[in-house]
Amino acid sequence: AQKVTQAQTEISVVEKEDVTLDCVYETRDTTYYLFWYKQPPSGELVFLIRRNSFDEQNEISGRYSWNFQKSTSSFNFTITASQVVDSAVYFCALSLFTSGTYKYIFGTGTRLKVLA
Amino acid sequence: EPEVTQTPSHQVTQMGQEVILRCVPISNHLYFYWYRQILGQKVEFLVSFYNNEISEKSEIFDDQFSVERPDGSNFTLKIRSTKLEDSAMYFCASGTGGRETQYFGPGTRLLVL
Repeated sequence: AQKVTQAQTEISVVEKEDVTLDCVYETRDTTYYLFWYKQPPSGELVFLIRRNSFDEQNEISGRYSWNFQKSTSSFNFTITASQVVDSAVYFCALSLFTSGTYKYIFGTGTRLKVLA
Repeated sequence: EPEVTQTPSHQVTQMGQEVILRCVPISNHLYFYWYRQILGQKVEFLVSFYNNEISEKSEIFDDQFSVERPDGSNFTLKIRSTKLEDSAMYFCASGTGGRETQYFGPGTRLLVL
């Protein structure tokens, strides 16, 4: 099976706390891409990061960081010093090659609530 | 920065009516996609389109759905006879075809009454 699992349905934290969103994936492909998207209440999908399967370096962008571990098929996302504006649903996605093109398989999302 | 646009942002329709959702992909992109998100659920792949034909479609994309690129800029999703369960957010996306990022539009929220 090729799928993405986000086991945390909803997380609530108090502002300035750190929070980690988990993502576990399954794929038969040896080369693949993983993504994180943010969906604020307005509904659009905001691209956060792309990681390819050959690059296991962790990445930091401001308060955001990502931990990709191929050995455990995980691609976790940490927000440091969370802010109320971080409140959103966060989706992890896997890009699959099929029928000559790529499609995304999304996880079910994690709703993050940051309380003031 | 170029972006994918979608119209309308919201659409309300009666069950059984036809709707057409419109998308303008990024101009140098060759691959186009539609995804659907039922309220509170995950985003699901509907269809991919390249070289004026469907590359792949999901089980959701039944005979009531069709896609078209009527001119050099628009990419449309038509639902022939809407059902209540078609109520969802519909996202258009485009890309250059590799494993690179697909760029999503802001979505069209469709409500079928």
